[in-house]
Amino acid sequence: DAGVIQSPRHEVTEMGQEVTLRCKPISGHNSLFWYRQTMMRGLELLIYFNNNVPIDDSGMPEDRFSAKMPNASFSTLKIQPSEPRDSAVYFCASSSGVNTEAFFGQGTRLTVV
Amino acid sequence: GIQVEQSPPDLILQEGANSTLRCNFSDSVNNLQWFHQNPWGQLINLFYIPSGTKQNGRLSATTVATERYSLLYISSSQTTDSGVYFCAVVLFQGAQKLVFGQGTRLTINP
Repeated sequence: DAGVIQSPRHEVTEMGQEVTLRCKPISGHNSLFWYRQTMMRGLELLIYFNNNVPIDDSGMPEDRFSAKMPNASFSTLKIQPSEPRDSAVYFCASSSGVNTEAFFGQGTRLTVV
Repeated sequence: GIQVEQSPPDLILQEGANSTLRCNFSDSVNNLQWFHQNPWGQLINLFYIPSGTKQNGRLSATTVATERYSLLYISSSQTTDSGVYFCAVVLFQGAQKLVFGQGTRLTINP
């Protein structure tokens, strides 16, 4: 298996623009997680899905952030409008269910100027 | 919420040395994982170890769930072991999400 695949790897955008990050989980995994990593806050969970349904979005910072999982093999995290404080590395992870090992993608480094 | 504390925050060693990294957590957990974040930012799975002891080459880990801690041992360190080591846990009750510690930054000098 190719592992969790994220795109793009790097994204530089101007403040106010819409940004869409994409994730393809490991085939057969039914839990998907979006994390954000910053120097100040470390790795924090934004949202997670189980069987394509959002279960916990309490980590989503504000209404500018939204996430979808239209099917078992694809998820998006959208920021609209983007702000410089959104600059971070965004990771997607997947697992085969509750209390199983989670695997991370390579991350998307987002820079908002 | 659950607290995950890792120590030490920074560790600098010479190649060939051994090290022990610690992870303390404040509540009962169902899942505990150790990750290595390499200098390129990749999060690499080391161990899935809710309890007991596991070994993989020069690395081993022990989790004592009843006492709420886990240890990661690295023997005969190599420069490629440099990076940040994270412990992450899933609470026994509540949302099924990995909560990360702040990490231990390990630097192995040649």
